[in-house]
Amino acid sequence: DAGVIQSPRHEVTEMGQEVTLRCKPISGHNSLFWYRQTMMRGLELLIYFNNNVPIDDSGMPEDRFSAKMPNASFSTLKIQPSEPRDSAVYFCASSFRGPGVFHEQYFGPGTRLTVT
Amino acid sequence: DAKTTQPTSMDCAEGRAANLPCNHSTISGNEYVYWYRQIHSQGPQYIIHGLKNNETNEMASLIITEDRKSSTLILPHATLRDTAVYYCIVRVGPSGSARQLTFGSGTQLTVLP
Repeated sequence: DAGVIQSPRHEVTEMGQEVTLRCKPISGHNSLFWYRQTMMRGLELLIYFNNNVPIDDSGMPEDRFSAKMPNASFSTLKIQPSEPRDSAVYFCASSFRGPGVFHEQYFGPGTRLTVT
Repeated sequence: DAKTTQPTSMDCAEGRAANLPCNHSTISGNEYVYWYRQIHSQGPQYIIHGLKNNETNEMASLIITEDRKSSTLILPHATLRDTAVYYCIVRVGPSGSARQLTFGSGTQLTVLP
């Protein structure tokens, strides 16, 4: 398996533009997580899905952020409009959730977003 | 989830054992100790987890004190590639294993040649 795939790996955009980050989880995983990492705040969860359904989006900063998971193999994180303070590395992770069984989270390589 | 306390940074000589401590004095009976690490510019990577018994896998060993208020991650023969930030996370599991991870600031381990 190729692991969690994220695209693009780097994104530079101007303030006010729409940004879409993409994630393909590991095949067979049924949970997907979006995290953001900055120097000031460290790694923080934005939202996670279980069986394509958003379970907890309390970490989403504001209405400018939205995430979707239309099927088990694809998710997007959209920022519209983008602001310089959104500059960060965005990680997608996937895992398998089953009763009484531990499965670790596998992280993708991240997307480094720079908003100028 | 219980809060954890880790040293900000540690050094270790290559080939020696690296012992990374973690305090979790408020851990509950149903909470596990998880360790992840993040090598520079990469996503975090799972290392090991445990409830109350010591655990060992191909990457590391986890020693949990009898009162479960602290633990130590041991990398038996550290290499330069083990230089990373190591996160100790306490959380309910394993049935809750797909819940989110709450990362603290971790310990920056630097393996010196």
